[in-house]
Amino acid sequence: QKEVEQDPGPLSVPEGAIVSLNCTYSNSAFQYFMWYRQYSRKGPELLMYTYSSGNKEDGRFTAQVDKSSKYISLFIRDSQPSDSATYLCAIPSGGSYIPTFGRGTSLIVHP
Amino acid sequence: KAGVTQTPRYLIKTRGQQVTLSCSPISGHRSVSWYQQTPGQGLQFLFEYFSETQRNKGNFPGRFSGRQFSNSRSEMNVSTLELGDSALYLCASRIDEGITEAFFGQGTRLTVV
Repeated sequence: QKEVEQDPGPLSVPEGAIVSLNCTYSNSAFQYFMWYRQYSRKGPELLMYTYSSGNKEDGRFTAQVDKSSKYISLFIRDSQPSDSATYLCAIPSGGSYIPTFGRGTSLIVHP
Repeated sequence: KAGVTQTPRYLIKTRGQQVTLSCSPISGHRSVSWYQQTPGQGLQFLFEYFSETQRNKGNFPGRFSGRQFSNSRSEMNVSTLELGDSALYLCASRIDEGITEAFFGQGTRLTVV
């Protein structure tokens, strides 16, 4: 079992929709959780990170962690075509806290 | 402030050849990590260098190697290329260890024919 599992999609939604992107993880000791966004032909960039359980909001984006289920989510409200990208969950682990990434979910927001 | 620079952006190599990829991290960043990204496996960690020492290593064969120089610039080398090595190779720099943001370059697209 991989440490971080993520459905690759693609997920196609109309503009304005609420998007839910999800990951599961295997190690209950993980405490930090990150979401990266990767546009086509670019490297990933950090979108948000959270510590432990609960929600964190940043504009149209909300990151949610449920440690009891080992489940992390990213919600995008009022999705825009410019949100079309691959979203990767990442969990820093090990002594150096190197991020372990999920496979990424490809999101397409069509006008 | 300049971002992470990877060269070259694109490479086409023949099976059996070797290749060297280069990464210049953000100024002041001491940690450089390398990842392989493929549609089937996603982003897989290759290795991390910190202050010229390999600190962590992923589950890749010995054909994949790297090094870091005193100015933090890093290179990775793949010897005896196989078709399955075709991928996007991404370099990420972090200012230090710990829970810090990883800044990625645009990657080097390697195609092995």
